Amino acid sequence: KQEVTQIPAALSVPEGENLVLNCSFTDSAIYNLQWFRQDPGKGLTSLLLIQSSQREQTSGRLNASLDKSSGRSTLYIAASQPGDSATYLCAVRPRSGGGADGLTFGKGTHLIIQP
Amino acid sequence: GAVVSQHPSWVICKSGTSVKIECRSLDFQATTMFWYRQFPKQSLMLMATSNEGSKATYEQGVEKDKFLINHASLTLSTLTVTSAHPEDSSFYICSARDSGRGVNQPQHFGDGTRLSIL
Repeated sequence: KQEVTQIPAALSVPEGENLVLNCSFTDSAIYNLQWFRQDPGKGLTSLLLIQSSQREQTSGRLNASLDKSSGRSTLYIAASQPGDSATYLCAVRPRSGGGADGLTFGKGTHLIIQP
Repeated sequence: GAVVSQHPSWVICKSGTSVKIECRSLDFQATTMFWYRQFPKQSLMLMATSNEGSKATYEQGVEKDKFLINHASLTLSTLTVTSAHPEDSSFYICSARDSGRGVNQPQHFGDGTRLSIL
């Protein structure tokens, strides 16, 4: 059964720092990996999606990498801002026969950017 | 961009009440929608996959008679929590994938429904 682990569980850094969030998964048979942001009491905002054949994706100050063979992904946030404070979730879409499976999520990294 | 609307956003009701949650894709069609549940400080867990025009597929440990799913159109799925009890209190969130754009498209999530059973 696929398991997704995110490290660290919580992170607090001063504004302006670059930071890396880590995600690992146990089964490399995936269609894709997706990073989300969740604000308190809110739904999910998709940040980046990496297909299994890709190594990285970039959007603005965010860069996500994927090493499928080792079951790892990282989310790099450059020049962090207080508005980046949120919980960041990593999720994989398992590869199965039906092609319509839901996502398996990690517990998230709770990020606080200090002004 | 793709928008998923979920309603209501917050429900507080007495034990034994049945509660219906709606999930709509506003600007795309979705033959498949997904329902997740998130308990405090836990990850989102997939409950079921909602299939337009057919029965939903439930994950292990999720009672199909407790959580009724109807996906009657390409833009609407509903989750009904029947005879809800305090242990059903949780954050329920749906997602949908644009069925017109291939199997590797991202899932788009609603804003979730916080259900509190007294």
